Amino acid sequence: DVKVTQSSRYLVKRTGEKVFLECVQDMDHENMFWYRQDPGLGLRLIYFSYDVKMKEKGDIPEGYSVSREKKERFSLILESASTNQTSMYLCASAQRNYGYTFGSGTRLTVV
Amino acid sequence: ILNVEQSPQSLHVQEGDSTNFTCSFPSSNFYALHWYRWETAKSPEALFVMTLNGDEKKKGRISATLNTKEGYSYLYIKGSQPEDSATYLCAPESGGSNYKLTFGKGTLLTVNP
Repeated sequence: DVKVTQSSRYLVKRTGEKVFLECVQDMDHENMFWYRQDPGLGLRLIYFSYDVKMKEKGDIPEGYSVSREKKERFSLILESASTNQTSMYLCASAQRNYGYTFGSGTRLTVV
Repeated sequence: ILNVEQSPQSLHVQEGDSTNFTCSFPSSNFYALHWYRWETAKSPEALFVMTLNGDEKKKGRISATLNTKEGYSYLYIKGSQPEDSATYLCAPESGGSNYKLTFGKGTLLTVNP
C-alpha cells in the first residue's frame, strides 16, 4: 500500500522556535507538496517540488521554506514560528495524470 | 491563483436522498479536474481525475461529469448514506511544466440517518 508519512500528528511549539515538519513517501514520486488547511480557507499551497533540490513557491510561501535533499523526503521549515502559523499541515506526493496521495496531516499549534 | 468555486458550501440530506454539487474553474489552459473526498480525521482521498470535455466517471454510487468549455464539473451521489458524509473537494490542474493543484474550499456533505 502506497504511503505518505508525516512525522508528527500533533505538535506544540513556542513563538520564535524553528520548526521542521517532515514528510516521506515510498512511491518514487517526483512531485511533492505542502498545504495548510484552515477553516473557511480550504487547502492552500505553501511550496512544492518537482525534483530533488528543486522547489517552487505556492500561493502562501511567506514565513516558510522547504528542503528536498532526497527524492522521498520533503521538509517544511518554519524559520521562526508565529501564532498565525497554527494550522493543519498536509503533505502530498503525486505523479502527473494521477491524483495526489496525502499524508495524515500534522496539527501544529504555536503558543 | 486560480479561482475555484464550489457550491454549495454545505449540504444536509437524509439517507437515501440523491444529491449533487458544483465545481467551477477557469476554462483557459485546462489540463485535468480532480475530485477528492475528505472524511473527518482522515486524509483526503482521490475520487476521480477527469481530462476530456464531456467525460463522465463513476465509482459506486458517486459519479462526476466535466464541461471544460464552460469550466464546470458536477459530482453526483445517488442514494446518499451516512458514510458519504465528508467534505468533497475539487481541484483543476492547469497545463504547463509544473504539476500542482489549486483546491476549492469544498462542499461539506452531512447525511442524516
